[in-house]
Amino acid sequence: EIVMTQSPATLSVSPGERATLSCRASQSVSSNLAWYQQKPGQAPRLLIYGASTRATGIPARFSGSGSGTEFTLTISSLQSEDFAVYYCQQYNNWPPPFGQGTKLEIK
Amino acid sequence: QITLKESGPTLVKPTQTLTLTCTFSGFSLSTSGVGVGWIRQPPGKALEWLALIYWDDDKRYSPSLKSRLTITKDTSKNQVVLTMTNMDPVDTATYYCAHPVGASYYFDYWGQGTLVTVSS
Repeated sequence: EIVMTQSPATLSVSPGERATLSCRASQSVSSNLAWYQQKPGQAPRLLIYGASTRATGIPARFSGSGSGTEFTLTISSLQSEDFAVYYCQQYNNWPPPFGQGTKLEIK
Repeated sequence: QITLKESGPTLVKPTQTLTLTCTFSGFSLSTSGVGVGWIRQPPGKALEWLALIYWDDDKRYSPSLKSRLTITKDTSKNQVVLTMTNMDPVDTATYYCAHPVGASYYFDYWGQGTLVTVSS
């Protein structure tokens, strides 16, 4: 079973700055990697699929990169509404686990 | 417009069986390539895959929970039902149903979730 590891667990960034979140797979998942954003009391929201394709309605400040085992989610200029928990998920193999999440907090 | 909504008990006792229903609209489980999945999230913890069912009745289960889970569909009612046997306090979580993109394992639409507490 593939294990997804996200780092850091918590990231403190000031509004307007860039945030970089990492996700590592224990074996190659090709480009079959999705990113989700989750705010308190809400369901997850799909941000990125195919490692780098933004989902419908997702602002251009969100970008994804990587393939194989190393992936990155970058938020170019943080807005107040971006502070949340972010999860990666591989969907190359069954079962398709989620990472443990990165909490993005206001510095 | 795709929507999903979970329903079921908010409180179950240890050893009991949990039955959750996902009622959806905006798509049909009789259409090729369509599925519905279940994911849960214990309070303050990460998301965990549970099960997924496709239009052709293909079913996938979390390996660690497979012996306790059953997923079924009622195409005429636009519903998917998840049962989990032998509930334990560690199963306390918010349970989500969600719509996967095509026949894949990632999700573009989610229900609001329902919190299930396991306690005597």
